[in-house]
Amino acid sequence: SYVLTQPPSVSVAPGQTARITCGGNNIGSKSVHWYQQKPGQAPVLVVYDDSDRPSGIPERFSGSNSGNTATLTISRVEAGDEADYYCQVWDSSSDHQGVFGGGTKLTVL
Amino acid sequence: QVQLQESGPGLVKPSQTLSLTCTVSGGSISSGSYYWSWIRQPAGKGLEWIGRIYTSGSTNYNPSLKSRVTISVDTSKNQFSLKLSSVTAADTAVYYCARGSSGWGAYYYYYYMDVWGKGTTVTVSS
Repeated sequence: SYVLTQPPSVSVAPGQTARITCGGNNIGSKSVHWYQQKPGQAPVLVVYDDSDRPSGIPERFSGSNSGNTATLTISRVEAGDEADYYCQVWDSSSDHQGVFGGGTKLTVL
Repeated sequence: QVQLQESGPGLVKPSQTLSLTCTVSGGSISSGSYYWSWIRQPAGKGLEWIGRIYTSGSTNYNPSLKSRVTISVDTSKNQFSLKLSSVTAADTAVYYCARGSSGWGAYYYYYYMDVWGKGTTVTVSS
């Protein structure tokens, strides 16, 4: 099955830019989606189809996808952005299934 | 706007069947081209996709759980359900239901979950 690899943790100071990566074999040929999950809450979709934002998600959240790496970029990071972030794709190989990355804990210093 | 709410027993005995229901409010489960998914998350761990169903009844399951999972839909009640058989302690988790949007890009299929329930905790213990 398809494997997505994320760094366990990323740290950034307030006002700086955070980049969270999601690695996968030729992931650039897939559509990547990103979710934010704060403690005790359900995940929230923050980026879909590589780089689109749902309504209500700040423009500070953006995404890109090429080659073997997709990236979620959070500009002008705020304390409220501290959360776990998960990437997700649809695996259309022999097993048609949703696949999540292992998640990245974003710490705002 | 559409809201989802999970319900079901919070405690299940080992070897028994876990049964959860997700009630959709604020819209019809049959309207639009949506899939309806289940996802789970053991305490302190990441998200695991369990499976999805379309209102036609078409399903896809996580291969690692496929032999034990059944997802069904009841459009008359605006609900969909999850059954997981032969549970063990490893099935203890927060279970989420979610609405999924799908389609085709230039050369790829996409599927993401844009509306989630708050989740319900299920513990497997005797």
